[in-house]
Amino acid sequence: AQKITQTQPGMFVQEKEAVTLDCTYDTSDPSYGLFWYKQPSSGEMIFLIYQGSYDQQNATEGRYSLNFQKARKSANLVISASQLGDSAMYFCAMRERVRTGANSKLTFGKGITLSVRP
Amino acid sequence: GAGVSQSPSNKVTEKGKDVELRCDPISGHTALYWYRQSLGQGLEFLIYFQGNSAPDKSGLPSDRFSAERTGGSVSTLTIQRTQQEDSAVYLCASSLGTGGGGYNEQFFGPGTRLTVL
Repeated sequence: AQKITQTQPGMFVQEKEAVTLDCTYDTSDPSYGLFWYKQPSSGEMIFLIYQGSYDQQNATEGRYSLNFQKARKSANLVISASQLGDSAMYFCAMRERVRTGANSKLTFGKGITLSVRP
Repeated sequence: GAGVSQSPSNKVTEKGKDVELRCDPISGHTALYWYRQSLGQGLEFLIYFQGNSAPDKSGLPSDRFSAERTGGSVSTLTIQRTQQEDSAVYLCASSLGTGGGGYNEQFFGPGTRLTVL
């Protein structure tokens, strides 16, 4: 079974509007972390935001926020006030066993393409 | 400061040849990861190093793939007898190895694009 599911087809958003990118995950580990990365056409992976499973509040980082619904196992990324430079692939990823301090691997979803229209 | 660097940036090889991909992590980062990204796909984990040892090799797809890390720094991923399905972008990442807490952000290099003809 997939651990990270990103099923949205290519997403389009008008410049300056908000957009939500969906991510659901599957784990039996009570201690995990969720990450969002941006990959522009240049290919670099850019870290955006992190949410720990024990964090009481939803993570925010500038124009990025994470809508974390633990019971539903979803961790949707919300981008407010979209900019043309936000056009890219967006990947959701999970790291398990975070409480052990082990530097365990990231498991990635297949990604979502976001296009921002002027 | 310097980020993660990888070389070569592009590699074209013929089927059956061996290739070596190199990764220089961020100075002071004790954890190093290799991932593979096939066209239009997410990243697939290959192997993780803590220092010079590899506690997790579970993602290596076959015994044609191997990796080593020396001096707790540079890592080399070797693919023997390359096949066309090995064509992908190979990404390296590093993170602080202090453990504890879940954040421990992985910083990615620019990747090596491998094409097997």
